[in-house]
Parts: sequence; structure tokens; C-alpha cells
Amino acid sequence: DADVTQTPRNRITKTGKRIMLECSQTKGHDRMYWYRQDPGLGLRLIYYSFDVKDINKGEISDGYSVSRQAQAKFSLSLESAIPNQTALYFCATSDDHRDGYTFGSGTRLTVV
Amino acid sequence: GESVGLHLPTLSVQEGDNSIINCAYSNSASDYFIWYKQESGKGPQFIIDIRSNMDKRQGQRVTVLLNKTVKHLSLQIAATQPGDSAVYFCAENIGGGSNYKLTFGKGTLLTVNP
Repeated sequence: DADVTQTPRNRITKTGKRIMLECSQTKGHDRMYWYRQDPGLGLRLIYYSFDVKDINKGEISDGYSVSRQAQAKFSLSLESAIPNQTALYFCATSDDHRDGYTFGSGTRLTVV
Repeated sequence: GESVGLHLPTLSVQEGDNSIINCAYSNSASDYFIWYKQESGKGPQFIIDIRSNMDKRQGQRVTVLLNKTVKHLSLQIAATQPGDSAVYFCAENIGGGSNYKLTFGKGTLLTVNP
């Protein structure tokens, strides 16, 4: 089983719909992150959480919200999806040492 | 704007040649750098990292060089193989202390020709 699992892998949704992307990890890491990837723009940080009671906005948090339900689970919600939120979304985890992130396989979201 | 400046270029090499991928960063306070490899349809994969108190670090077929004077990071891949074809990202940690979060460059597409 993957260390970081994202569901769904692919999703097409309509403008205005609420959608949740889920992430779960078996690494035992306290820190979890949501990034968005667009062609030519690299990965941009949406939200991050350093422990269950900690939630922080990243550089592009507008239009998104998150929930850290447990150490192992960190979900990303789009309350009212819009077409420019079409992108590849990655969840990542880390410990509190500088040892790099472990990424999930991504969720490809298309908003029509 | 992004402090990690890696405009998405394409690097094409012949199998067996050495590859060098470059990255410029602008934040002199960054204390940790990582190179990631992303294959099509997959999440980024950790390749090698380096802390700011080092100039060079070697792994298996890969070497990362850090030049803090000019704020430059490079990834060298020896004897490049077709399986090395991917997008490569550099990332830096700008947050100090326990505020560890990475900022990523835009990526370089490496194509290895057989």
C-alpha cells in the first residue's frame, strides 16, 4: 500500500459544486500539506498542517478549505468549484526534520 | 513571486551522457534544498537533498551542488538513462526553525534519447 493515498485519482465536476479531496497517510508524520500543480507553474502551496490542531494558509488558499480529521487524514474542499480550479492536486507529508516530503499520486480535478 | 526561479526549459540528452539541471533561488535565508523527480502521471519523488552548510552531496549517479554566493543549485545525473526522463523540480525551505515548508520551482523536462 502507498504511504500517502489520495482519493479520488480523477474527478470531473460542474461549476458551483462542492467537492472534497481526501488524503490519508501511513507514515506517522505530523505534518501534512496540500499543493496544486498547473502546467508551467510548478507546485503551489494551498494549506498545511503541522499537527491535528494546527491549520495554516498557504500562498493560494482562496476558494479552498481543509480539515485535519486525525493525524493520518487531511482533506481539501472546494466549497463552490470554478473552472480555474482545474488542476492536479497533491497531498504531501513530512516529519519535523528536514528530510523532504512524501507525496501522494495526485488527484486530477476538472471543473466544467 | 516565486523565490525559486526555474523556468520550465527542456533538456534533451543522449543516453549515457551526463545531465546538468540548474536552479536559481533568491532567498539567502533558505536552509534546505531538495531535488524531486516527477514522472508522467505520478507524484514527485525525492531524489537528493542538501543543507545550506554543505556545498556538495552525492548519491547514486546524482550529485547536488550548492553555491550560496550566487544562490545557485544544480543537479548532475551521471550516465543518463531513458528511465531518467521526467520533470525535475528544485525546492527550497524558506521557513526558519520548525516552520518547515517547501517552495518549488517550475521544473525542467529532461528527455533522454536512446
